[in-house]
Amino acid sequence: DAKTTQPNSMESNEEEPVHLPCNHSTISGTDYIHWYRQLPSQGPEYVIHGLTSNVNNRMASLAIAEDRKSSTLILHRATLRDAAVYYCILRDSSGGSNYKLTFGKGTLLTVNP
Amino acid sequence: GAVVSQHPSWVICKSGTSVKIECRSLDFQATTMFWYRQFPKQSLMLMATSNEGSKATYEQGVEKDKFLINHASLTLSTLTVTSAHPEDSSFYICSARPALGGGYEQYFGPGTRLTVT
Repeated sequence: DAKTTQPNSMESNEEEPVHLPCNHSTISGTDYIHWYRQLPSQGPEYVIHGLTSNVNNRMASLAIAEDRKSSTLILHRATLRDAAVYYCILRDSSGGSNYKLTFGKGTLLTVNP
Repeated sequence: GAVVSQHPSWVICKSGTSVKIECRSLDFQATTMFWYRQFPKQSLMLMATSNEGSKATYEQGVEKDKFLINHASLTLSTLTVTSAHPEDSSFYICSARPALGGGYEQYFGPGTRLTVT
């Protein structure tokens, strides 16, 4: 799987927007960009995914650069419950990898009250 | 919807014994289930991929005779840690990919914390 690079940690204040960056300069045409998050002592939770166009859902927005070499997960109003490790993962859509996900180190988001 | 459960949520066992962890998809059928291991302050590491009715595919470096995986039905996969040792103490997490629809999401269980004494 292609590799992603994320900052080790970020800090935000409650009620403010958070922009979590991810670099994936070696992304291939068939790679989807997925974001998962993991709260302490829990399994990961799906957040959002996209291919080329920006995506919105009830949890977050995903902004994908035109060249697809980077993306940004946007939490519009951070809450204390958003404090977690956020993982940016490239998933090969060709199916040959059986849809497995390779987790990197992720970004630890701290939300201050 | 799309809930995955794991049982037990935590277990303590003595060195040399075997421990079985169950992973169930509660409201959907899962073609594929994945098993991960996570050590403290580290990321998830994929151990193996299991497809219903067939043998699991293990990642490089994972001993298939030590970590036995059975995916007997579309809603249940089990991981058995045989002859457990203290270095096997870890957080074990499963995930499931729905058999129908979706295809891009994996739903994760809450994890099982194994402590080997």
